[in-house]
Amino acid sequence: DAGVTQSPTHLIKTRGQQVTLRCSPKSGHDTVSWYQQALGQGPQFIFQYYEEEERQRGNFPDRFSGHQFPNYSSELNVNALLLGDSALYLCASSLWSNYGYTFGSGTRLTVV
Amino acid sequence: EDQVTQSPEALRLQEGESSSLNCSYTVSGLRGLFWYRQDPGKGPEFLFTLYSAGEEKEKERLKATLTKKESFLHITAPKPEDSATYLCAVQYNAGGTSYGKLTFGQGTILTVHP
Repeated sequence: DAGVTQSPTHLIKTRGQQVTLRCSPKSGHDTVSWYQQALGQGPQFIFQYYEEEERQRGNFPDRFSGHQFPNYSSELNVNALLLGDSALYLCASSLWSNYGYTFGSGTRLTVV
Repeated sequence: EDQVTQSPEALRLQEGESSSLNCSYTVSGLRGLFWYRQDPGKGPEFLFTLYSAGEEKEKERLKATLTKKESFLHITAPKPEDSATYLCAVQYNAGGTSYGKLTFGQGTILTVHP
């Protein structure tokens, strides 16, 4: 039973560039949420997608955008990267009607 | 401001030395409180969900409890493999604007020495 799969695992980008991170949810799940975790901090909610629409958004600028595809997979896009965007980006999947969230192992993004 | 606070920030125990981690929250309309374990460089691993005050759940050496303002994660006779960061998160419904997202505390780093 495949859990949540994220790619790539590690990424190094230059300030000002754009990046796309990918997530495949756990089999049977239809909702995907994205979180940013800075070193030594708890994860911070970015946004949540269900039925290919953004349903809820945290306190992140418009540089952060996302997409959900018909197969429930999702992408997180970040434009105009800043040094402060360096973090572990986590994808969590769930059923819309259920509380249980399963997290992936994350993508470590380093902006230099 | 809705907030989740975990204490202590770090805890060092000897193998077999039982202790507790605390998670206090100030949100209203709690729908669930979650405990996760996170190993370095990995994503959070689900441990427990608690829904209402008075509820308790156990798994091996871990026991989670919930009151109206806080939750405790009790660790009985810990082993070195219990070393990890333990995260607490809440899900709450505030006029429909917060439903769905998890609000996390900053975590407690637990180190168990043999």
